[in-house]
Amino acid sequence: DQQVKQNSPSLSVQEGRISILNCDYTNSMFDYFLWYKKYPAEGPTFLISISSIKDKNEDGRFTVFLNKSAKHLSLHIVPSQPGDSAVYFCAAMNSNTGNQFYFGTGTSLTVIP
Amino acid sequence: GAGVSQTPSNKVTEKGKYVELRCDPISGHTALYWYRQSLGQGPEFLIYFQGTGAADDSGLPNDRFFAVRPEGSVSTLKIQRTERGDSAVYLCASSLGLAGGLETQYFGPGTRLLVL
Repeated sequence: DQQVKQNSPSLSVQEGRISILNCDYTNSMFDYFLWYKKYPAEGPTFLISISSIKDKNEDGRFTVFLNKSAKHLSLHIVPSQPGDSAVYFCAAMNSNTGNQFYFGTGTSLTVIP
Repeated sequence: GAGVSQTPSNKVTEKGKYVELRCDPISGHTALYWYRQSLGQGPEFLIYFQGTGAADDSGLPNDRFFAVRPEGSVSTLKIQRTERGDSAVYLCASSLGLAGGLETQYFGPGTRLLVL
């Protein structure tokens, strides 16, 4: 049972434009969410996080939005750069029941120069 | 300081053999996690250590899988009687391990296991 879903396996965006990556979850008890970025042959690298008490968190070109009622979060990258090309995973946790993250299946982003 | 390191980076073995995968967490991180990532999937949780003890091993698929962390630092994931379905990338992550904290987990590069 996939509790975290990324329904778009791939996304292509022109350099300089906005990239929007989406993630949906089913467990309403999740209260902490992260986005990881992964290059080939490397482990996932932490990008940005958000806790359920907020609906937006921004760090430079990266902004994460959380819609708890819709059980949906999104990652916005603006402006997109070729170096952003990677696989992006969203992950969610219920901090009250443990420390394991549940990951989505990833979205492969290609930023076209 | 260095990040999370994992050895070997690649491991090829034959069905039925025993393998050990090693993880060196970030210095000072008391929490350590093992995940498994199959092709086209996201990482799946296997086991979580807080210090030397396994605080949550609910993700281990069966009793062929076992992990230890005897001194609260380095951890070894052990797989007995390997099967072709065990082929995957095994990822290790660590975090500070603060009580009640919403913590970021930092991942190593993974060990690619191929069972022939």
